Amino acid sequence: EAGVVQSPRYKIIEKKQPVAFWCNPISGHNTLYWYLQNLGQGPELLIRYENEEAVDDSQLPKDRFSAERLKGVDSTLKIQPAELGDSAVYLCASSRSGLITDTQYFGPGTRLTVL
Amino acid sequence: DQQVKQNSPSLSVQEGRISILNCDYTNSMFDYFLWYKKYPAEGPTFLISISSIKDKNEDGRFTVFLNKSAKHLSLHIVPSQPGDSAVYFCAAEIQGAQKLVFGQGTRLTINP
Repeated sequence: EAGVVQSPRYKIIEKKQPVAFWCNPISGHNTLYWYLQNLGQGPELLIRYENEEAVDDSQLPKDRFSAERLKGVDSTLKIQPAELGDSAVYLCASSRSGLITDTQYFGPGTRLTVL
Repeated sequence: DQQVKQNSPSLSVQEGRISILNCDYTNSMFDYFLWYKKYPAEGPTFLISISSIKDKNEDGRFTVFLNKSAKHLSLHIVPSQPGDSAVYFCAAEIQGAQKLVFGQGTRLTINP
């Protein structure tokens, strides 16, 4: 079974530029998560999708961040414009459902550096 | 407001000995707890979990203990092996909220 795929793995941009991250979840997984992980911290949830519906985006800074999950499979997370403080690892995870006992499987993440 | 805390940023243990990683939480509504393991340049991988109705769960070399009155959980690894060297995150979830809250992580190093 293929794992969660993310691209790119690394991205370096100048501040005020836009950036986008892509995630392909494990086949058959209906729930998709985007997390932000700052250096020395644990992952923090940005948004959770059930199929194509964003059911929890309370932690997503909506002034500059946006996400979509067309057709309930792949997902894209966008930042526009990027700020210095956005430098972090962006993790995507998926699970069969959003149930508490369904394991979340994480991708390798995209490390973003904003200069 | 750090609801899940791992107060030890790092831990060094000799191969073959027991590793004990600790985690404290503040929210009494948490009722499901997990440990994830993370190698460099990889995403976290699920290790073991425990429901609040239990105080212990064991899976091979890994055992998680939950002390609800103290709002404390710990992960025991016995015996420790070099491949256990990684960052370990504890996480907690509220039934129905479907949202994991992670601690800051503890870097475990197993010395030969």
